[in-house]
Amino acid sequence: QKEVEQNSGPLSVPEGAIASLNCTYSDRGSQSFFWYRQYSGKSPELIMFIYSNGDKEDGRFTAQLNKASQYVSLLIRDSQPSDSATYLCAVREQNDYKLSFGAGTTVTVRA
Amino acid sequence: DADVTQTPRNRITKTGKRIMLECSQTKGHDRMYWYRQDPGLGLRLIYYSFDVKDINKGEISDGYSVSRQAQAKFSLSLESAIPNQTALYFCATSDFSASEYGYTFGSGTRLTVV
Repeated sequence: QKEVEQNSGPLSVPEGAIASLNCTYSDRGSQSFFWYRQYSGKSPELIMFIYSNGDKEDGRFTAQLNKASQYVSLLIRDSQPSDSATYLCAVREQNDYKLSFGAGTTVTVRA
Repeated sequence: DADVTQTPRNRITKTGKRIMLECSQTKGHDRMYWYRQDPGLGLRLIYYSFDVKDINKGEISDGYSVSRQAQAKFSLSLESAIPNQTALYFCATSDFSASEYGYTFGSGTRLTVV
């Protein structure tokens, strides 16, 4: 599996602030990128998918992709306590389409 | 019913015992995966299967074996459990391209080896 690195965290932000999560990947041929949210003891759930350079917005979430820099990020605007979770970055390998996961960044939103 | 069902949800077993974790899915996906998750280490791939006749080792397969009994069923076995196999185990499925839907995960099995 290819390497996927995330900022280690934990990241603590006040309610209403923007949480910024970063992810870099080693496989230059990767084409698809995913962000999963995982609450403690629960299974990961997909919140964002991106495959084109630039920004993709979905509600309070924005994913940003820069393939030249091999960098993908997730912004959470107007952070809420319910956003407190671990966020996993995943990259689809070009050869067989498996996903490689980062170790995750834990976000805590302070009320 | 859940799309991907894992059993048991929780299990405590003794060192040296054989244990099987089961996964079944109703998604109709060909591809199935077993991951383990440890604090700070993210999801690590144990085994994966692209169809019934295809089984592949992941990055941490030592001490584990799998069986793909049917398209919908993929079981993970620990032949002789050891304490450092204590972890949260997830089964996941995907279609061929893992398109924009990525993986569908089961609810997980929390395994404790004492």
